Amino acid sequence: EAQVTQNPRYLITVTGKKLTVTCSQNMNHEYMSWYRQDPGLGLRQIYYSMNVEVTDKGDVPEGYKVSRKEKRNFPLILESPSPNQTSLYFCASSTWTSGGFSTDTQYFGPGTRLTVL
Amino acid sequence: GNSVTQMEGPVTLSEEAFLTINCTYTATGYPSLFWYVQYPGEGLQLLLKATKADDKGSNKGFEATYRKETTSFHLEKGSVQVSDSAVYFCALNSGYSTLTFGKGTMLLVSP
Repeated sequence: EAQVTQNPRYLITVTGKKLTVTCSQNMNHEYMSWYRQDPGLGLRQIYYSMNVEVTDKGDVPEGYKVSRKEKRNFPLILESPSPNQTSLYFCASSTWTSGGFSTDTQYFGPGTRLTVL
Repeated sequence: GNSVTQMEGPVTLSEEAFLTINCTYTATGYPSLFWYVQYPGEGLQLLLKATKADDKGSNKGFEATYRKETTSFHLEKGSVQVSDSAVYFCALNSGYSTLTFGKGTMLLVSP
């Protein structure tokens, strides 16, 4: 089954304790992205990756890191989490049509609910 | 920059009622437009999309038409069901796969 998986699904942690949220897709997609969802703000993009070793900032990258060492995986790293990073996080993937075309459908993971105390 | 504006919710309807959720956008170039749906406790799923002006996207009885002259992509369904209760997001992609989302509209359908 084609899917995007995230782990963990729920995480409660404390300020300053480094954490990693994993994301994996089995569709051989080039493009992967991380979003956070907050009430009244919708979804905002954190980081994205167009292929292995190619990443770029989205709208709200502060406090986050990513890496893309393998095509299928795109972990989100919070090196020193703070309470304002409490949110629902989604990973997504899609094919990547070079030239900037925008018709590709993004497939989303089930979400990771993070609480930072 | 790009932006998407959707009507605020919640939208509360009785089963079999007609649904409209308004969505307007601002974008450079020729964006593709999407409606995603989020059921309780789940991730986002693509509901429908349209990639050029006057295209109509449709799925599961929902439809939306890409209106470039009014920069709109309103979601409609002729007869909603309780199972349609969810949050609906309008989004645009103006290039390089970067999605810009609206804030979402919650739909509550009662029997």
